Amino acid sequence: EAQVTQNPRYLITVTGKKLTVTCSQNMNHEYMSWYRQDPGLGLRQIYYSMNVEVTDKGDVPEGYKVSRKEKRNFPLILESPSPNQTSLYFCASRSPRVDTGELFFGEGSRLTVL
Amino acid sequence: QKEVEQNSGPLSVPEGAIASLNCTYSDRGSQSFFWYRQYSGKSPELIMSIYSNGDKEDGRFTAQLNKASQYVSLLIRDSQPSDSATYLCAVQSNTGNQFYFGTGTSLTVIP
Repeated sequence: EAQVTQNPRYLITVTGKKLTVTCSQNMNHEYMSWYRQDPGLGLRQIYYSMNVEVTDKGDVPEGYKVSRKEKRNFPLILESPSPNQTSLYFCASRSPRVDTGELFFGEGSRLTVL
Repeated sequence: QKEVEQNSGPLSVPEGAIASLNCTYSDRGSQSFFWYRQYSGKSPELIMSIYSNGDKEDGRFTAQLNKASQYVSLLIRDSQPSDSATYLCAVQSNTGNQFYFGTGTSLTVIP
């Protein structure tokens, strides 16, 4: 089954404790991205990756890091989480088909930073 | 100015009616436009994409695009209670690398 898998789905942590949210896709997509979703602000892009070892900032990259060492994986790293990073996070990959830019989303990771 | 704007709603329509959702965008160079549906607590799923001016129909859904007015809409005919969800308008940047989402319109279909 084609899917994007994120872990953990739910996490409560404390300020300053480094954490990593993993994302893996099994569709051989080159493009992957991370979003955060907050009430009233919608989905905002954090980082994206066009291919292995190619990453770039989205609209809200501050406080986040990413890496893309393998095509299937695109982890999101919070080196020193703060309460304003409490949010719902989605990883997505994109079909390479030229007739669609469809994003395939993971199930989401709800992060609470105390 | 936000890249993509939608009326947040909520929008309520009776079962069987037509629901009309609207979206405007700021980047005139954008070429690709999408409507995603998001049920509460779930991830967004694509329901329509549109790339050229005019209408595109898929079952009960019709997407409309007017690039001159920088306007995208989604019509849902014969609305069903299962259509109750938040609908997200998304615009792909002209480089293709970024996607900008509206804040979503919450739709409730009343049986």
